[in-house]
Amino acid sequence: QSVLTQPPSVSGAPGQRVTISCTGSSSNFGAGYDVVWYQQLPRASPKLLIYGNTNRPSGVPDRFSGSKSGTSASLAITGLQAEDEADYYCQSYDSSLGGSVFGGGTKLTVL
Amino acid sequence: LHLQESGPGLVKPSETLSLTCTVSGGSISNSAYYWGWIRQSPTKGLEWIGSIYYSGRTNDNPSLKSRVTMSVDTSKNQFSLKLSSVTAADTATYYCARVIVIVPTIPDEQTFDPWGQGMLVTVSS
Repeated sequence: QSVLTQPPSVSGAPGQRVTISCTGSSSNFGAGYDVVWYQQLPRASPKLLIYGNTNRPSGVPDRFSGSKSGTSASLAITGLQAEDEADYYCQSYDSSLGGSVFGGGTKLTVL
Repeated sequence: LHLQESGPGLVKPSETLSLTCTVSGGSISNSAYYWGWIRQSPTKGLEWIGSIYYSGRTNDNPSLKSRVTMSVDTSKNQFSLKLSSVTAADTATYYCARVIVIVPTIPDEQTFDPWGQGMLVTVSS
């Protein structure tokens, strides 16, 4: 049971918009700690996608956007492409556990 | 920046898992960063193990702290992980990564970027 809860899977057709939720608690997002998102393509290492809730590293398309409100965070992907098919993970700091924690991951399928 | 994990891929139960991460394309002595270990398994997902600063200061996952030892060798641009008393539950792909923190003296919020390619370590007799 992960401290940060994500849906196991989401799907969408090419060109559509999908969102992936990440639900936390008062000891992580609710305490003001930021969310970070990673993309893990098949047979690859995780890659930084969003940091500081909303910031994209250089090279990440603006189709990817992040947000955080209260004890939840979301990753939105617009103009879905086949190459977006991957696992997506959220991450934050949890003050109760005293360290960085990850969500269980969400598998995005592009139909 | 490139990171590469190395070490034995098979460890016996109750023994110590030892991995090294070699950093190229940048200095491990850069005061802006920590250097971290994360593992991934089908049962536990992604789990942060710990992070180390070039000075040797560590930031530990409390749930693993009693079994984890991390070290850094600035002359070789490497950092290392030792995990003692391993069991089958420690079977995972182990990643090293550069760790970005806002304030090095308060390494709570961490961003991992980039990651190494990962190394599968199996615990089995």
